[in-house]
Amino acid sequence: QKEVEQNSGPLSVPEGAIASLNCTYSDRGSQSFFWYRQYSGKSPELIMFIYSNGDKEDGRFTAQLNKASQYVSLLIRDSQPSDSATYLCAVKPGGTSYGKLTFGQGTILTVHP
Amino acid sequence: EAGVVQSPRYKIIEKKQPVAFWCNPISGHNTLYWYLQNLGQGPELLIRYENEEAVDDSQLPKDRFSAERLKGVDSTLKIQPAELGDSAVYLCASSPGAGETQYFGPGTRLLVL
Repeated sequence: QKEVEQNSGPLSVPEGAIASLNCTYSDRGSQSFFWYRQYSGKSPELIMFIYSNGDKEDGRFTAQLNKASQYVSLLIRDSQPSDSATYLCAVKPGGTSYGKLTFGQGTILTVHP
Repeated sequence: EAGVVQSPRYKIIEKKQPVAFWCNPISGHNTLYWYLQNLGQGPELLIRYENEEAVDDSQLPKDRFSAERLKGVDSTLKIQPAELGDSAVYLCASSPGAGETQYFGPGTRLLVL
């Protein structure tokens, strides 16, 4: 089992819809969770992160954590064509691996007009 | 504030040749990371530096890869000799300290022929 898993997609949603991206992780001791967006040919850029103690909303983006089921989700409301990109989930484990970030393979999102 | 700077942006070499990548982190960031990203995959950590000390190089193929961060600022990643399978994007990231948010540079796209 991979440490962090994402459905590679592609996930296609119409403009204005809610896009829901999910990520599962294997380490129960994971402390924090990150969502990065990566446009084709570009480097990952941080969208938002949450800690193990709660969800977070930032504009059109909401990150939610389900610790019992060990998955993290990213909701994008009012999706725009400019949101079309690969979304990378990254997890920071606890313990001695402090500082290490493990990425999933990414989910390709396409928002069509 | 300037972001993470990497050079070159693109490199094409023949197999068995050496190649080097350079990274200048965000000013004041003590932690520097080198990642490898294959097509359709998330970044994978190669090495992490705290100042000039390599604190996690467990994923670095030490038979052909080497890295240094002599003065705790800039870093160089070297491959010698390069193999066809080394074709990928090499990303550098930095963070203020271990466990803090990582910011990525634009990456170096390596093609080994």
